[in-house]
Amino acid sequence: QLQLQESGPGLVKPSETLSLTCTVSGGSISSSDDHWGWIRQPPGKGLEWIGTIYYSGSTYYNPSLRSRVTVSVDTSKNQFSLKLSSVSAADTAVYYCARHVIYDVLTGYYREHYFDHWGQGTLVTVSS
Amino acid sequence: QSALTQPASVSGSPGQSITISCSGTTSDVGGYNYVSWYQQHPDRAPKLLIYDVTNRPSGVSNRFSGSKSGNTASLTISGLQAEDEADYYCSSYTDKNTLGVFGTGTKVTVL
Repeated sequence: QLQLQESGPGLVKPSETLSLTCTVSGGSISSSDDHWGWIRQPPGKGLEWIGTIYYSGSTYYNPSLRSRVTVSVDTSKNQFSLKLSSVSAADTAVYYCARHVIYDVLTGYYREHYFDHWGQGTLVTVSS
Repeated sequence: QSALTQPASVSGSPGQSITISCSGTTSDVGGYNYVSWYQQHPDRAPKLLIYDVTNRPSGVSNRFSGSKSGNTASLTISGLQAEDEADYYCSSYTDKNTLGVFGTGTKVTVL
């Protein structure tokens, strides 16, 4: 059973960089066709996709966050990570990692878009 | 990119059927069969209910079903149960310079 677990500081100061890691167990992060994503949810609000990575290092980012986001992967540790720079109170949210299905095996196009395994989420508060 | 539009709330009595709508455009919901639905209970991670408009992952109750007509996708919950009280989100692939977009979310209340 694939499991994901987020880890990282729960409190970040304004203007600093938020850093989170997702550890994948029960499967290999290097599996072909598997992509890995980050999603966030501000308190009381909806879901927002942040970014996604393939084990080779190929990345996809939400245009609204692209200038501040870096997603990376460490296949030796079966982990992938999120860095969000220059944070403000608006970045306070529960951050989730998830397996992101984006490849349609029937058509060969990267047009799928769903998250089928999620971590439990971690609340990150931006405050001085 | 704009979020997909969902009603803020939907309610129903136990045993009834309810439908949640998810409105988009020809660049997302209307143009592709890549709509998914998620259920989220308070303080829990979202759970995938439907993918590719109509497909249910293994283990998801057949009381949940998805459909699409034009630019609007729908999630129907039949035989409503108390445990169905939760927030529901739709999502879709979009060809607007990003992988995908989420809906605004719908709170389902079981009366």
